[in-house]
Amino acid sequence: QPQLQESGPGLVKPSETLSLTCTVSGGSVTSQNYYWGWIRQPPGKGLESIGNVFYGGTTYYSASLKSRVTISVDKSQNQLSLKLRSVTAADTAVYYCARHWRASPRSHFDYWGQGVLVTVSS
Amino acid sequence: EIVLTQSPGTLSLSPGESATLSCRASQTVGAGYLAWYQQKPGQAPRLLIYDASIRAAGVPDRFSGGGSRTDFTLTINRLEGEDVAVYYCQQYDTSPGTFGRGTKVDIK
Repeated sequence: QPQLQESGPGLVKPSETLSLTCTVSGGSVTSQNYYWGWIRQPPGKGLESIGNVFYGGTTYYSASLKSRVTISVDKSQNQLSLKLRSVTAADTAVYYCARHWRASPRSHFDYWGQGVLVTVSS
Repeated sequence: EIVLTQSPGTLSLSPGESATLSCRASQTVGAGYLAWYQQKPGQAPRLLIYDASIRAAGVPDRFSGGGSRTDFTLTINRLEGEDVAVYYCQQYDTSPGTFGRGTKVDIK
């Protein structure tokens, strides 16, 4: 079974870009069998979908974040990437990467990373 | 965007009782593309139910899901201490999917 591990800076300044990676082991992000997603959870609050990506580059983004977010696949590193621009304190959250069950964004998440806390503060 | 409303916000029950959690969608969730996740403090969500009623591998049969279109339920029978968690529903009919705000289940 695959293991997913998020990584990146734990502290980002307001107006800067939040950049995270998700390293996948025991599986390939270039597999034609799965979509991959990013989800976030502000402290003490619920889950929010950010977007998802297929190995060929097809992406779907949350309407509320679409203007600021880019999700991509790094085939050489077997990683997913999340970039969120112009961050504010409202972007402080635990960020999770997860695997969709099949090669469709219309599927549930079956494997999740442990999450990484990113705080936006000067 | 499909908005999911979960109720109640908190459920406090005694061991052995049954819990019924509700998830109502603002519009029809096609093909029953709805999942339930369990999240314990400090942990990532864990998949319990997908496609509205299919139990994920390793999930005890005390957990069951049902419903269609706009009204879905998660039932937990014979409540145990290990079931203390927040439960989220998620629709994945539209991409990238949306989550409800969660129902917290406590044990008295």
